Amino acid sequence: QVQLQQWGAGLLKPSETLSLTCAVYGGSFSGYYWSWIRQAPGKGLEWIGEINHSGTTDYNPSLKSRATISADTSKKQFTLNLRFVTAADTAVYYCARHLTTVTTSDAFDTWGQGTMVTVSS
Amino acid sequence: QSVLTQPPSVSGAPGQRITISCTGNSSNIGAGYDVHWYQQLPGTAPKLLIYANSDRPSGVPDRISGSKSDTSASLAISGLQTGDEADYYCQSYDRSLSRYVFGTGTKVSVL
Repeated sequence: QVQLQQWGAGLLKPSETLSLTCAVYGGSFSGYYWSWIRQAPGKGLEWIGEINHSGTTDYNPSLKSRATISADTSKKQFTLNLRFVTAADTAVYYCARHLTTVTTSDAFDTWGQGTMVTVSS
Repeated sequence: QSVLTQPPSVSGAPGQRITISCTGNSSNIGAGYDVHWYQQLPGTAPKLLIYANSDRPSGVPDRISGSKSDTSASLAISGLQTGDEADYYCQSYDRSLSRYVFGTGTKVSVL
């Protein structure tokens, strides 16, 4: 049973860079797409971006200028960097695996435990 | 921010059947993109309940079902249980926004 474990700094100051890493345990890294998704306090879910084992990425256009997702396939890990954070970036951040079943819109079948990131001066 | 609209809350008595709607438009659900549903218990990560409109992952009971028609989708929960109290989100893809989109979320309460 694949599990995702994530970690990173939970308290940042405005203009700093958010950095979170997600590790894949008990399953393959190759052959899947991997995403970051966030949820502001009391709010809904927002997709940030995705990466596959080849390093191909795609981002939410609203975050594309500040977000970078990278992967280390040897460690089965992928990392989110979000630059120039503001209070609006305060949220629980989740990593997630895309379902491999062929659909016209990918679903997310496995999620990390979530990391609360607070941006405050 | 959310382009998929859900009712803020739905409630029902134990054993009853409830449905949650998810309304989109011609750029997402109406464009043929599949709809998926997630359950989020308080303080936990979302869990995939339904994928590709009506399919259930292994372990999800058959009292939970999904459907899709035109620009909307629905999640039905029959035999409602206290353990079903949670937030539920629909999800799809929007070709105009070029991103995956989630619904506004629905809080289910068991009376």
